[in-house]
Amino acid sequence: GENVEQHPSTLSVQEGDSAVIKCTYSDSASNYFPWYKQELGKRPQLIIDIRSNVGEKKDQRIAVTLNKTAKHFSLHITETQPEDSAVYFCAASSGAGSYQLTFGKGTKLSVIP
Amino acid sequence: NAGVTQTPKFRILKIGQSMTLQCTQDMNHNYMYWYRQDPGMGLKLIYYSVGAGITDKGEVPNGYNVSRSTTEDFPLRLELAAPSQTSVYFCASSYSMGDTQYFGPGTRLTVL
Repeated sequence: GENVEQHPSTLSVQEGDSAVIKCTYSDSASNYFPWYKQELGKRPQLIIDIRSNVGEKKDQRIAVTLNKTAKHFSLHITETQPEDSAVYFCAASSGAGSYQLTFGKGTKLSVIP
Repeated sequence: NAGVTQTPKFRILKIGQSMTLQCTQDMNHNYMYWYRQDPGMGLKLIYYSVGAGITDKGEVPNGYNVSRSTTEDFPLRLELAAPSQTSVYFCASSYSMGDTQYFGPGTRLTVL
């Protein structure tokens, strides 16, 4: 089955700096890659996603890049703010036509004011 | 729309007891999912459903059962609770395959 590795597990940045979280996946047939943000004690919420026919997608301060050849994708947050502090999860669909998402173990991002 | 709702919010079970975690969505989504989240870990899929009457196993189905008699409801049944089932359980739904999954608020379950 699909295996998703996420790095780093923790990340501290100064307010205003950029943060980058990286994920690798194992199944070359995977074609959907969402990122979720989870605040303490809350539900995961989708912040951005990318599909395999696109190399990069941006939404204001958040961007995701996908390299299908290397089987990795990354989340970029620019101009970080204290409210960006949370746990971020990447996920990959488990192969072509699959309904299943396989999640990474998460990155705890702390933005220091 | 209330979105995805789950009950109860918290529950403590004794080893060997059974319970049903309730999940309801009012977005007319065909796809529904049950995940468990252990501390420091990502979410692991327990069961999913692609429509009323259709369910299938995910990555960690042992010790759980599901049913889907309506589009709106997708209950998760724990039989003979074990300490290894202590976790936070999230229900989610999506309109179609590869679409955004919307999560419920979660149920925190402790088995002692």
